[in-house]
Amino acid sequence: RKEVEQDPGPFNVPEGATVAFNCTYSNSASQSFFWYRQDCRKEPKLLMSVYSSGNEDGRFTAQLNRASQYISLLIRDSKLSDSATYLCVVSSGGYQKVTFGIGTKLQVIP
Amino acid sequence: ETGVTQSPTHLIKTRGQQVTLRCSSQSGHNTVSWYQQALGQGPQFIFQYYREEENGRGNFPPRFSGLQFPNYSSELNVNALELDDSALYLCASSTAGGPTDTQYFGPGTRLTVL
Repeated sequence: RKEVEQDPGPFNVPEGATVAFNCTYSNSASQSFFWYRQDCRKEPKLLMSVYSSGNEDGRFTAQLNRASQYISLLIRDSKLSDSATYLCVVSSGGYQKVTFGIGTKLQVIP
Repeated sequence: ETGVTQSPTHLIKTRGQQVTLRCSSQSGHNTVSWYQQALGQGPQFIFQYYREEENGRGNFPPRFSGLQFPNYSSELNVNALELDDSALYLCASSTAGGPTDTQYFGPGTRLTVL
């Protein structure tokens, strides 16, 4: 089983739609969780950290479920500019061992 | 922009050669991590340097080595290049090397091995 699993997609959604991505992780000792966004042929950029209490940033909401070992990202009112690959990132260990998922590709269609 | 820079942006090498990639971390950051991202895959952790010491390593062979300098910039060296080493190499800097620290990525170096 992979340490971090994501559905690679692509998810094709119309503008204005709500879309949700899930990501599961295998290491129950994982401590930190993030969502990164990566545009084609560019570097990953931090979208948001994910906390146990859940957190929201504008149209984006991230949730962590430690019992089931998954994190989620919800995007409301999708914009064309949201088209990108969304990478789930899990960090664990005494040093900063960071594991990325394969990424979920989102395409927002006019 | 994150303030993390990498050089060169693109590089073409042949199998068996050696390559050095460079990374300048964001001001105030003392930790640099290196990742390999093959086409269609997520970044894979190679290793991390914290205050000039290797602070963790992923599942990469010894021909992948690195350095961190007193100014916290870093190099990734790859010896005996193989075709499968063709990838985007990303460095990321952060402040303290702990598991909760956010990493900021540079634009990457795209390596092609022929």
